[in-house]
Amino acid sequence: GENVEQHPSTLSVQEGDSAVIKCTYSDSASNYFPWYKQELGKRPQLIIDIRSNVGEKKDQRIAVTLNKTAKHFSLHITETQPEDSAVYFCAAKNSGNTPLVFGKGTRLSVIA
Amino acid sequence: SAVISQKPSRDICQRGTSLTIQCQVDSQVTMMFWYRQQPGQSLTLIATANQGSEATYESGFVIDKFPISRPNLTFSTLTVSNMSPEDSSIYLCSVQSEAFFGQGTRLTVV
Repeated sequence: GENVEQHPSTLSVQEGDSAVIKCTYSDSASNYFPWYKQELGKRPQLIIDIRSNVGEKKDQRIAVTLNKTAKHFSLHITETQPEDSAVYFCAAKNSGNTPLVFGKGTRLSVIA
Repeated sequence: SAVISQKPSRDICQRGTSLTIQCQVDSQVTMMFWYRQQPGQSLTLIATANQGSEATYESGFVIDKFPISRPNLTFSTLTVSNMSPEDSSIYLCSVQSEAFFGQGTRLTVV
């Protein structure tokens, strides 16, 4: 089955700097890769996703890149702000009625 | 996107008791998924609930401990049985489109 590895487990950046979180997956059939942000005491919230037919997707300060050959995808947050501080999870799945498989999460701290 | 309503949002339960969590979706879906998130951990799939058949459980989860019902295409329940403090977690339901979760149930077992 699918296995998703996520790095780093913790990340501290200065406000205004960029943050990059990387994930690798094992199942070449996976074709959907969402990223979630989870603030303390809340459910994971989808912030951006990418499908295997594109290599990059951007939404304001957040972007995701996908390299299907290498089976890895990354989350990029630019101009970080203190409110970006949270735990971020990557996930992967293939099409059809299969569940998401999650990475272990990255705790991002943005220092003002 | 589907709207997923989950309840209760939180509960504190005595060990040895059981709690049933409900998940309601505003549209018909074939598959519903139940996840557990232990404190400080990632999300782990408990089981997949398919309407009209028994749920499919992941390794480490058994029906006697986590019975699931799926009476129709918009509703499912997960029961956490004979609870112990180790069951203290957030429990989340999701649907086959999978981008979104219910609000989650924060369970504390004392």
